[in-house]
Amino acid sequence: QKEVEQDPGPLSVPEGAIVSLNCTYSNSAFQYFMWYRQYSRKGPELLMYTYSSGNKEDGRFTAQVDKSSKYISLFIRDSQPSDSATYLCAMMRSGYSTLTFGKGTMLLVSP
Amino acid sequence: EAGVVQSPRYKIIEKKQPVAFWCNPISGHNTLYWYRQNLGQGPELLIRYENEEAVDDSQLPKDRFSAERLKGVDSTLKIQPAELGDSAVYLCASGSGTEQFFGPGTRLTVL
Repeated sequence: QKEVEQDPGPLSVPEGAIVSLNCTYSNSAFQYFMWYRQYSRKGPELLMYTYSSGNKEDGRFTAQVDKSSKYISLFIRDSQPSDSATYLCAMMRSGYSTLTFGKGTMLLVSP
Repeated sequence: EAGVVQSPRYKIIEKKQPVAFWCNPISGHNTLYWYRQNLGQGPELLIRYENEEAVDDSQLPKDRFSAERLKGVDSTLKIQPAELGDSAVYLCASGSGTEQFFGPGTRLTVL
C-alpha cells in the first residue's frame, strides 16, 4: 500500500459543477497537506496548503483535512474549462521538507 | 519574480548515452529538489539540497545518477549511462520553508 492514495480518474464534469477531489493517506506523521495543479506538459503549481486539520478557502477552492480519517479533499466551485488539469495531493511531515505525492486525478470540465 | 528555470525542456537520447539537466532556482531559495515523474504518477524525490549540501539522496540511483549544486545556486543532474526505464519528466523545485515551486521539467525519452 502506498503512503498516499489518489484516484487517477479521469473525472468529467460540466462547466459550473462542484468538483470534489480526494486523497487518503496512511502515515499519521503527515502534518502539511498540499494541492498542486498540473497542466499538460507543465510543472506542478501550488494551489494551497493546510497545516494539520481544518478547512482553508481561496476563491473557488476549498481544502479540507480530516486527520482522524486520514482523508483530505479539494473542492472546486463553479468549475471552468480552464480548471481542466491533473490535481496532485502532496503531504509532508513536520520538520521535514520532502513531499510525498499522490498519483494525481485528471479533471476534465466541459463547456 | 522569475520562476524555476530548467533546460533543456526536451531531450531524446539512445540508451547508454549520458545526459544532463540544468536547474536555476528562484532567487533566495536555499532548498533545491530534483524529482522524477513517470507517466501517470506523482513526482518522486531524487535528491534534496540545503544550500550546497545534499541532505536527502536516499532515492537517487547512485550507480548511474549524480547531482551537484555548486555555490548553492544552480544545480545539474546527470545520468550516465541512461537506460530505457529512465524515460520520465525530471522536475526541479525550490523553496524556502513549507512551499515548493516547480519548474516546467525536462522530458527525457531514452530510445
